[in-house]
Amino acid sequence: QVQLVQSGAEVKKPGASVRVSCKASGYTFSGYYINWVRQAPGQGPEWMGWIDPNSGGTNYAQKFQGRVTMTRDTSISTAYMELSRLRSDDMAVYYCVCGTGYWGQGTLVTVSS
Amino acid sequence: DIVLTQTPLSLSVTPGQPASISCKSSQSLLHTDGKTYLFWYLQKAGQSPQLLIYEGTNRFFGVPDRFSGSGSGTDFTLKISRVEAEDVGVYYCMQSIQLPPWTFGQGTKVEIK
Repeated sequence: QVQLVQSGAEVKKPGASVRVSCKASGYTFSGYYINWVRQAPGQGPEWMGWIDPNSGGTNYAQKFQGRVTMTRDTSISTAYMELSRLRSDDMAVYYCVCGTGYWGQGTLVTVSS
Repeated sequence: DIVLTQTPLSLSVTPGQPASISCKSSQSLLHTDGKTYLFWYLQKAGQSPQLLIYEGTNRFFGVPDRFSGSGSGTDFTLKISRVEAEDVGVYYCMQSIQLPPWTFGQGTKVEIK
């Protein structure tokens, strides 16, 4: 069965960067886009962008352009999302999503001085 | 960006009774490929969103048949024929016809009376 397992919770200081990983199993990794979605406390989901694991091509939401980088390592079926210059309002749970149907368990990123 | 407007924002339902949530889009979600890019998710407390309905009307794997999606163009409805205690949570509609970005409705909180 399709599974997406994300890395553990992170605590970062303002201005730092965070990298979240998403290891896929149960399907052909290169066959489906990986989307990244975040959800701030008490808020709805917010789409950040996607990566095509086959080509490495990416498409980022304008809001995150210049701060987000999505990459992948096909040899280990893992996608990564790095967000730089963290601010307090970046505190959220970050999810990877295969297509639209399969979500990782989420990674809580706390930004605090 | 496409705006999705959900109503109502909260719903209190007696077990065994039906429930209905509306999602209206600021633009048509019917693609030239014939598919409608409207999805429904349920997010239970402390969990990742789970896909219920894809392409407007199709139940995802393992979703009980008490859930159904209807609608076309800009107006969509999620119906629960007989609400059960396990159906509590926040329901979101989401569109992916226009990229970037995916956008989500505000969410509808469903609780049991």
